[in-house]
Amino acid sequence: GAVVSQHPSWVICKSGTSVKIECRSLDFQATTMFWYRQFPKQSLMLMATSNEGSKATYEQGVEKDKFLINHASLTLSTLTVTSAHPEDSSFYICSAVPVLPHNQPQHFGDGTRLSIL
Amino acid sequence: AQTVTQSQPEMSVQEAETVTLSCTYDTSESDYYLFWYKQPPSRQMILVIRQEAYKQQNATENRFSVNFQKAAKSFSLKISDSQLGDAAMYFCAYRSIEYGNKLVFGAGTILRVKS
Repeated sequence: GAVVSQHPSWVICKSGTSVKIECRSLDFQATTMFWYRQFPKQSLMLMATSNEGSKATYEQGVEKDKFLINHASLTLSTLTVTSAHPEDSSFYICSAVPVLPHNQPQHFGDGTRLSIL
Repeated sequence: AQTVTQSQPEMSVQEAETVTLSCTYDTSESDYYLFWYKQPPSRQMILVIRQEAYKQQNATENRFSVNFQKAAKSFSLKISDSQLGDAAMYFCAYRSIEYGNKLVFGAGTILRVKS
């Protein structure tokens, strides 16, 4: 079945540093990937849509300069949290949609737990 | 904009019994997809079942089935013969066909299974 690998699964870092999270589709190509943020016991909130070869589309209220997204290939999207602060601590999940066959559901990565000290 | 409402923050079911999780949504579109995802404590997102709006027949996957009422914009999930491993957070989600593959999630329902 379709597999999405997300790395790292858990990261702890100091306030002010930048953190990069990778999302890879292992056995399919994906022109579109999504990045979500999830607080404990809450739902997934879409942050942005990552489009291969073009700029990401950010949801309202999400700072594009804070959360940099790069989708350089059909199998890799990265989310970089720049100058991270404790309020950025959260669970981040990516998902990818196969190019083919059409109308496939999103396949999710296992998530990244980000803790900023 | 589409919205998804799950009105049950928590539900409990006895092992081997049946439980139904509610979901309603709001949309002006005629064609779309609906999903139920399960998120266990590991926080993996696991697809439980999907329904295409143009299909009148309710989707079924083993012990999981849905009651899709398009006119009422209702999409409930029925879990039969509940097992301890079914304990998780369940999310109902809507996907627009017109607006690409974006998913809109409900707030979620925590399901507890009692032995």
